[in-house]
Amino acid sequence: SQQGEEDPQALSIQEGENATMNCSYKTSINNLQWYRQNSGRGLVHLILIRSNEREKHSGRLRVTLDTSKKSSSLLITASRAADTASYFCATAMYSSASKIIFGSGTRLSIRP
Amino acid sequence: DAGVTQSPTHLIKTRGQQVTLRCSPKSGHDTVSWYQQALGQGPQFIFQYYEEEERQRGNFPDRFSGHQFPNYSSELNVNALLLGDSALYLCASSFLPDTQYFGPGTRLTVL
Repeated sequence: SQQGEEDPQALSIQEGENATMNCSYKTSINNLQWYRQNSGRGLVHLILIRSNEREKHSGRLRVTLDTSKKSSSLLITASRAADTASYFCATAMYSSASKIIFGSGTRLSIRP
Repeated sequence: DAGVTQSPTHLIKTRGQQVTLRCSPKSGHDTVSWYQQALGQGPQFIFQYYEEEERQRGNFPDRFSGHQFPNYSSELNVNALLLGDSALYLCASSFLPDTQYFGPGTRLTVL
């Protein structure tokens, strides 16, 4: 079963706009990670946020974590065509931090 | 520095057959995890190997087995293949229980 669920399942925006994806999870976590996947290929790690952190930035990416609501969001600013991909959140639980559980993903399409 | 590599890239098998997929971790990584990703779904955790032993296992039947070698490379074996085993199989390596680095995957088609 999935630990995390992304929302929305699909998102289509104009190039240059910001894209926001949300992730909700069920159990206490050690950390939460966001990955990108292009066309069914391998996943690329984007950012990791630990349970004691609330916000993290990396380039055009901003991730927030609200452990009280068991939710996270990924914001991509000034989107580009190359950002078209599927985005997954993945959680590592306290009980077994080495095992990460993926959500079902958000398919992001950037219109030129 | 080579990243995570997997072989083969694509594979076609028939029901009932057995398959072996291979993974070489990123240099310096000692932990290998395997995932199954069905079309349109997120990756599902199969199992993880550390120090040549299975450390964690997901909700997969015993038909799925693995091995890790002294050089940290790993194999995933699936016996008695079913149509539902058709998927992208991803290998990921890590050094600490944090960021995992993924290979390009092996696309398995069971006919």
